[in-house]
Amino acid sequence: GENVEQHPSTLSVQEGDSAVIKCTYSDSASNYFPWYKQELGKGPQLIIDIRSNVGEKKDQRIAVTLNKTAKHFSLHITETQPEDSAVYFCAASTSGGGADGLTFGKGTHLIIQP
Amino acid sequence: DAMVIQNPRYQVTQFGKPVTLSCSQTLNHNVMYWYQQKSSQAPKLLFHYYDKDFNNEADTPDNFQSRRPNTSFCFLDIRSPGLGDAAMYLCATSRQWRSYNEQFFGPGTRLTVL
Repeated sequence: GENVEQHPSTLSVQEGDSAVIKCTYSDSASNYFPWYKQELGKGPQLIIDIRSNVGEKKDQRIAVTLNKTAKHFSLHITETQPEDSAVYFCAASTSGGGADGLTFGKGTHLIIQP
Repeated sequence: DAMVIQNPRYQVTQFGKPVTLSCSQTLNHNVMYWYQQKSSQAPKLLFHYYDKDFNNEADTPDNFQSRRPNTSFCFLDIRSPGLGDAAMYLCATSRQWRSYNEQFFGPGTRLTVL
């Protein structure tokens, strides 16, 4: 089955700086890569996703890049703000996130230092 | 607002005493999922329903069962909870089982086993 590795497990950055979280996946058939943000006491919430036919996607301060050859994808957050502090999970799916569900990475605890 | 609702938010049970967690959705989505998330770990898919069709993950213990009496509700039954079943249980939905459908998560139920 699919295996998703995520690094780092904890990331501390100064407010206003950029943060980068990296994930690798094992199944070359994976075609959908969402990123979820989980705040304390809440369920994960989708912040951005990318399909395998796209190399990069951007939404305001958040961007995701995908390298299919190397089987890795990354989340980039620019101009970080205190409200960005949360746990971020990457995930991969071979069915577009549908019937087979998602395989999650272990999460990155992002801490924004004021 | 359309949403995924989980009750109760916190559940305490005794070792071996059956417990049921509930999930309801107002999104009218076809697919409902149950994930188990242990402390500081990634959510792990237990099973999902596509309409009334039940799909169990290969490594989900028999101790975990699920029911979906209608489109809106889905239940997770733990027949004989062990200490190792203490976790956050997340319910999620997606509109279709086909590709690229966002999964919407509820806030979770935190289960404590005494």
